Amino acid sequence: DAKTTQPPSMDCAEGRAANLPCNHSTISGNEYVYWYRQIHSQGPQYIIHGLKNNETNEMASLIITEDRKSSTLILPHATLRDTAVYYCIFTYNNNDMRFGAGTRLTVKP
Amino acid sequence: GAVVSQHPSRVICKSGTSVKIECRSLDFQATTMFWYRQFPKQSLMLMATSNEGSKATYEQGVEKDKFLINHASLTLSTLTVTSAHPEDSSFYICSANLRQGYEQYFGPGTRLTVT
Repeated sequence: DAKTTQPPSMDCAEGRAANLPCNHSTISGNEYVYWYRQIHSQGPQYIIHGLKNNETNEMASLIITEDRKSSTLILPHATLRDTAVYYCIFTYNNNDMRFGAGTRLTVKP
Repeated sequence: GAVVSQHPSRVICKSGTSVKIECRSLDFQATTMFWYRQFPKQSLMLMATSNEGSKATYEQGVEKDKFLINHASLTLSTLTVTSAHPEDSSFYICSANLRQGYEQYFGPGTRLTVT
């Protein structure tokens, strides 16, 4: 069973920041937080991952709380092409990826 | 970034026949490949994990004799759905990672329809 909790759906205006929350209260100290997204009828796409520190790449930023029990994925300037289901997963060695229901993000013009 | 391909992208077969789906890592050698299944409006469910040259490890509830996995090389894994039935109709997705601790790269998926 999925061990993360995410809101089932969110809307965001085009050009605005999209902030997607995830609760992972049972995460262990050596488990990473990964974020993937899946656009309709495609395979999931890797976005970003982190352990303790906040991370940023060309796609997004990942903010992890100090107690590591939750995190937020930030898409700084959402576009219509960012409409997708976003999955938050935590795993130790990346060989055990359990996908939950995710958050369906809809970016609206 | 690393690219994983799947073939075919779509397949329709008759009930009782077998279907083979290929998964290839195009620009890297994958020590481990994974197979997932996704039913409409549901999330991905891990079916099995395979390492090159060894037997696949199947998740609970996945029949290993029905879903045959062969990982003969570091760039190719195949999933064969044997004696397919309509309830096997689903979106099958593979993924691969370079080595433990690195992100998984997913293929585009194969939509199987069994009539």
